[in-house]
Amino acid sequence: EAQVTQNPRYLITVTGKKLTVTCSQNMNHEYMSWYRQDPGLGLRQIYYSMNVEVTDKGDVPEGYKVSRKEKRNFPLILESPSPNQTSLYFCASSLQSLGETQYFGPGTRLLVL
Amino acid sequence: GESVGLHLPTLSVQEGDNSIINCAYSNSASDYFIWYKQESGKGPQFIIDIRSNMDKRQGQRVTVLLNKTVKHLSLQIAATQPGDSAVYFCAVPEMGRRALTFGSGTRLQVQP
Repeated sequence: EAQVTQNPRYLITVTGKKLTVTCSQNMNHEYMSWYRQDPGLGLRQIYYSMNVEVTDKGDVPEGYKVSRKEKRNFPLILESPSPNQTSLYFCASSLQSLGETQYFGPGTRLLVL
Repeated sequence: GESVGLHLPTLSVQEGDNSIINCAYSNSASDYFIWYKQESGKGPQFIIDIRSNMDKRQGQRVTVLLNKTVKHLSLQIAATQPGDSAVYFCAVPEMGRRALTFGSGTRLQVQP
């Protein structure tokens, strides 16, 4: 089944404790992206990747890192999480670019205490 | 950059009625538009898209209308069902930045 998977689905952590949210897609998509969703602010893009080793900032990249060493994986790294990074995070992928349908993962709900 | 707005945060309809969800965008150069549906606890799901060389596109029970003159698009859902209850987003790619800008979403509530 074609899908985007994220792990963990739920995470509670404390300020400053590094964490990684994994994202994997099995559709051989080149384009992958991370979003955060907050009440009243909608979905905002954090980082995106056009292909392996090609990443770029989205609207709200501060406090986040990403890497794209393999085509299927696009982890989101929070080196030193802060409470303002408490949010619902979505990974998405598409075949090549934004001209294609984006498929979203199920989401990761993060609480930073 | 691109800004995208939805006209109503909540829309309540009776089961069986038609629903219309509206969206406005700011960049007249935008040439691709997407509607997503997000059910509670799930990620956004693609519904339908339309390119700027069209003004109407139909799917299964859904129709998207694009009015480039006033930079407005709408999603019409025919014979709305309880399973249509969700938040609906329009999204517009920002071509220069390879970003997807989402509207704030309209919550569709279907009353039995």
